[in-house]
Amino acid sequence: AQSVTQPDIHITVSEGASLELRCNYSYGATPYLFWYVQSPGQGLQLLLKYFSGDTLVQGIKGFEAEFKRSQSSFNLRKPSVHWSDAAEYFCAVARRRALTFGSGTRLQVQP
Amino acid sequence: DAGVTQSPTHLIKTRGQQVTLRCSPKSGHDTVSWYQQALGQGPQFIFQYYEEEERQRGNFPDRFSGHQFPNYSSELNVNALLLGDSALYLCATGQGEQETQYFGPGTRLLVL
Repeated sequence: AQSVTQPDIHITVSEGASLELRCNYSYGATPYLFWYVQSPGQGLQLLLKYFSGDTLVQGIKGFEAEFKRSQSSFNLRKPSVHWSDAAEYFCAVARRRALTFGSGTRLQVQP
Repeated sequence: DAGVTQSPTHLIKTRGQQVTLRCSPKSGHDTVSWYQQALGQGPQFIFQYYEEEERQRGNFPDRFSGHQFPNYSSELNVNALLLGDSALYLCATGQGEQETQYFGPGTRLLVL
């Protein structure tokens, strides 16, 4: 069965600093990978996705992610964090349109 | 273009009761999946509906059931509610065989 691990439960960065959120997956075939963001009490918003092709994918709000098959990783990055980026971030892998999520990383942004 | 909508936004029930949650998909979407998100955790897949049939099911008991209507909207029913059923219930919709799912705002259920 597929699984997703997000090793960092909570990360704090200063506004303007760079960000990297880690995601490792376990999946037997070519994975369909996603990053979603959730503000408190809200639903999930799709940031970006990887299906195939270029291993560096661009998303909304200035986020990007890099797929590394050799490391089974799909880390999310942003060069300069804004205070509005404070939220919970979830990595997920899809199989037949059913998503398996990691436990999430809560991002706090310091002024 | 309306996105995925869910109703109600909040709900309070007592143990043993039954509850029905509703989801209307994004325009053009015909696949509906339901997820349960307990506090502090990632969402967990409950089941998925396509062409009015349950196509996949996660590790949830039969107390959780659903339905999809001809207009692609869907209901999630939970019988014999337990305290542990308190969670945010999320609906996600997609288009046919495409893997990308878009989420609604969720229904927060509190079981007392």
